[in-house]
Amino acid sequence: DAKTTQPPSMDCAEGRAANLPCNHSTISGNEYVYWYRQIHSQGPQYIIHGLKNNETNEMASLIITEDRKSSTLILPHATLRDTAVYYCIVRVENQAGTALIFGKGTTLSVSS
Amino acid sequence: DAMVIQNPRYQVTQFGKPVTLSCSQTLNHNVMYWYQQKSSQAPKLLFHYYDKDFNNEADTPDNFQSRRPNTSFCFLDIRSPGLGDAAMYLCATSRRGGNQPQHFGDGTRLSIL
Repeated sequence: DAKTTQPPSMDCAEGRAANLPCNHSTISGNEYVYWYRQIHSQGPQYIIHGLKNNETNEMASLIITEDRKSSTLILPHATLRDTAVYYCIVRVENQAGTALIFGKGTTLSVSS
Repeated sequence: DAMVIQNPRYQVTQFGKPVTLSCSQTLNHNVMYWYQQKSSQAPKLLFHYYDKDFNNEADTPDNFQSRRPNTSFCFLDIRSPGLGDAAMYLCATSRRGGNQPQHFGDGTRLSIL
């Protein structure tokens, strides 16, 4: 699986958009970009994933650059409950049963 | 709501005393996983079941075993817990194949006295 690079920490004001970047410059054509987050003392929570098109769901939007070497997770209106560690993970499709390789992630702190 | 449920949330055991952690799911997913997460570290896969097929990660200690009696339940058995086994244990599930995401429970935090 391709390696990802994320900033160690970010701050965001409540109500503002949080834009979390991820670099995956060695991504292969069949690798998807997944985002998970882990709130303190809870299990990781799946947020969104995509291959090359931008994706949106009720939680967030995922913007993937045209060359697929980087992506941005957007939380449109951050709340205090969005404070968590956010993990960007790249993995090949058809890998049910294999480990999610979590890096160090980005600690997002949302403040009022 | 359909979900992955882990009981108990906190478990205390004595050094060397066997302990079992449980996980149940209402998602009807084929694949169930057990991860270990030590303090300030990322989760690390121990093993998984693909339906009834058990798959152990190469570096998972022999002290850790698992059982999956049916689709809904999976157990993690630690035969002789050592102090180094104190951690959060996370259960996850996914559908088979494709690019299916994994869905996690809230974990069981295991302490060893």
